[in-house]
Amino acid sequence: AQSVTQLDSQVPVFEEAPVELRCNYSSSVSVYLFWYVQYPNQGLQLLLKYLSGSTLVKGINGFEAEFNKSQTSFHLRKPSVHISDTAEYFCAVSDQSSYNTDKLIFGTGTRLQVFP
Amino acid sequence: DVKVTQSSRYLVKRTGEKVFLECVQDMDHENMFWYRQDPGLGLRLIYFSYDVKMKEKGDIPEGYSVSREKKERFSLILESASTNQTSMYLCASRKDDQDTEAFFGQGTRLTVV
Repeated sequence: AQSVTQLDSQVPVFEEAPVELRCNYSSSVSVYLFWYVQYPNQGLQLLLKYLSGSTLVKGINGFEAEFNKSQTSFHLRKPSVHISDTAEYFCAVSDQSSYNTDKLIFGTGTRLQVFP
Repeated sequence: DVKVTQSSRYLVKRTGEKVFLECVQDMDHENMFWYRQDPGLGLRLIYFSYDVKMKEKGDIPEGYSVSREKKERFSLILESASTNQTSMYLCASRKDDQDTEAFFGQGTRLTVV
């Protein structure tokens, strides 16, 4: 089965600085990868997804992620963060180990805290 | 706009009570999921359902059961709530295609006292 590792549990950063949130997954077979964001007291919403094609994926709110097959990574980046980006970010991979359907397997999350 | 609705945002129950968490989706999705979210542990899959009356255990099914009598509704049941089941519970639904994302409800924060 797939697994996802988010190496940083917390990332503090000043406003307007660049940020990278790291994500590694376990398998090198074909995968579908996702980044979700969770604002305080809310559910998760999709930021972006990688299915195939270009390895650089652009998402909402100025975020982008790069798929690197050789390093089994899918790091999330933003060149200049805002206070409003303060949230928890989850990386997920589609797990095809069930015969019946694909599950999404999530990492443990990275809390991004943006300071003024 | 797509929607996954969880019946309660906050719930407080006593140890030993039977607890029902309800989730409804309006997107005609085949798959529905229940996750539990705890600090430092991320989202862990409890159960999922790929069709009406069909279910499969996730990574942490102990102490939980589920019911899916209609396509749009997926219920999580705690037969006898315990304090270690105090957590945030998230319901999600997803179309039966590998390349689609899951849509999440707002979450239910359950406290068992």
